[in-house]
Amino acid sequence: AQKVTQAQTEISVVEKEDVTLDCVYETRDTTYYLFWYKQPPSGELVFLIRRNSFDEQNEISGRYSWNFQKSTSSFNFTITASQVVDSAVYFCALPIYNQGGKLIFGQGTELSVKP
Amino acid sequence: DAGVTQSPTHLIKTRGQQVTLRCSPISGHKSVSWYQQVLGQGPQFIFQYYEKEERGRGNFPDRFSARQFPNYSSELNVNALLLGDSALYLCASSLDVGDEQYFGPGTRLTVT
Repeated sequence: AQKVTQAQTEISVVEKEDVTLDCVYETRDTTYYLFWYKQPPSGELVFLIRRNSFDEQNEISGRYSWNFQKSTSSFNFTITASQVVDSAVYFCALPIYNQGGKLIFGQGTELSVKP
Repeated sequence: DAGVTQSPTHLIKTRGQQVTLRCSPISGHKSVSWYQQVLGQGPQFIFQYYEKEERGRGNFPDRFSARQFPNYSSELNVNALLLGDSALYLCASSLDVGDEQYFGPGTRLTVT
């Protein structure tokens, strides 16, 4: 089965706290990518990152970092020193390449950062 | 460069009616995908087109159809609307099949 699970439905933190969003995936492919998207209240999905299954090095982009572990089928996303503007729904997604690259999304994690 | 654009932004229709949603991809992108997002859930794949050919279809009834034009823009048609079709319809474009997909702002469809 090809599946993405984001077990955390809602997370609430106070500004400047660090927060980690979990993503667990299932795939029968030996080579695959994983994506993270941000969906602010406006509704538009914003692409954040694409990771290849060959590369398990952590990725850092400013306050954002991603930890990819094939052994646990997880691709977690950490926001350091969270800000109110980080409030959004975050989705982890798995592309299925033998079906045109369609994205399988998790249920999403709603992050609320309070001042 | 302009991102993915969709029209209209909002739409209200009555049960049984038909609706057409439009999408223009990022310049140079040849692949367009459509997703349906019901409130509180992740987007669900409907269709993917590449070079005007359907490359993927999700688990949606035949009331849903789409096409891609020579300029790579796309239309999604839904016939015989049901209340359950009320959702945010998202269009995404990518350079090629399997590349990262960039999403438009969506069309919010309400069926009454």
